[in-house]
Amino acid sequence: EVQLVQSGAEVEKPGDSLKISCKAFGYSFTNDWIHWVRQMPGKGLEWMGMIYPANSDARYSPSFEGQVTISVDTSISTAYLQWHSLEATDSAMYYCARQGVYGALDYWGLGTLVTVSS
Amino acid sequence: EIVLTQSPGTLSLSPGERATLSCRASQSVNINYLTWYQQKPGQAPRLLLYGASSRATGIPDRFSGSGSGTDFTLTISRLEPEDFAVYYCQQYGRTFGQGTKVEIK
Repeated sequence: EVQLVQSGAEVEKPGDSLKISCKAFGYSFTNDWIHWVRQMPGKGLEWMGMIYPANSDARYSPSFEGQVTISVDTSISTAYLQWHSLEATDSAMYYCARQGVYGALDYWGLGTLVTVSS
Repeated sequence: EIVLTQSPGTLSLSPGERATLSCRASQSVNINYLTWYQQKPGQAPRLLLYGASSRATGIPDRFSGSGSGTDFTLTISRLEPEDFAVYYCQQYGRTFGQGTKVEIK
């Protein structure tokens, strides 16, 4: 069974760095793109970027380019989303999802809630 | 960058009624790459339809999709209580529409 298991909720201060994770089970991790999606409180879904684990080819939405870093560790079938300096506006739920046929995101993690507050 | 605009923002309907949701793209979208998701409060999104009209595994046949070019439609033939949720369209695994909330009237 395909599962994406995300790391737990985080509470951070502005300026902190953070790396959240998404561990894949039940399929060949290297063969499918992994996407990250942001959802701010009470708002819609925003596509942040994606990575192809086999070669770490990462692509970003223009809105998030330079703001976050997406990476993988294929030895443990895990994708990461990283910030070097958090802002209060980064407070949101972050989902990882696997890309299936025709670009559809067919399996999703449960989300990681990130709260940034002084 | 393609912009997807969903309408209406909110749809107020009763169980048993038909729901018609629209997704309009700022430029033509390859029909194969238009996807619909459902999200309920406190849950992750769930894949409903891919390739504009193909139902994902386990999705009941009251959900259907149509369209091409810049105009796509998600139809729920008869609303069940569990269908009241927010629906998003997406193109090629990237840009999302802003969502349509289907609420109980």
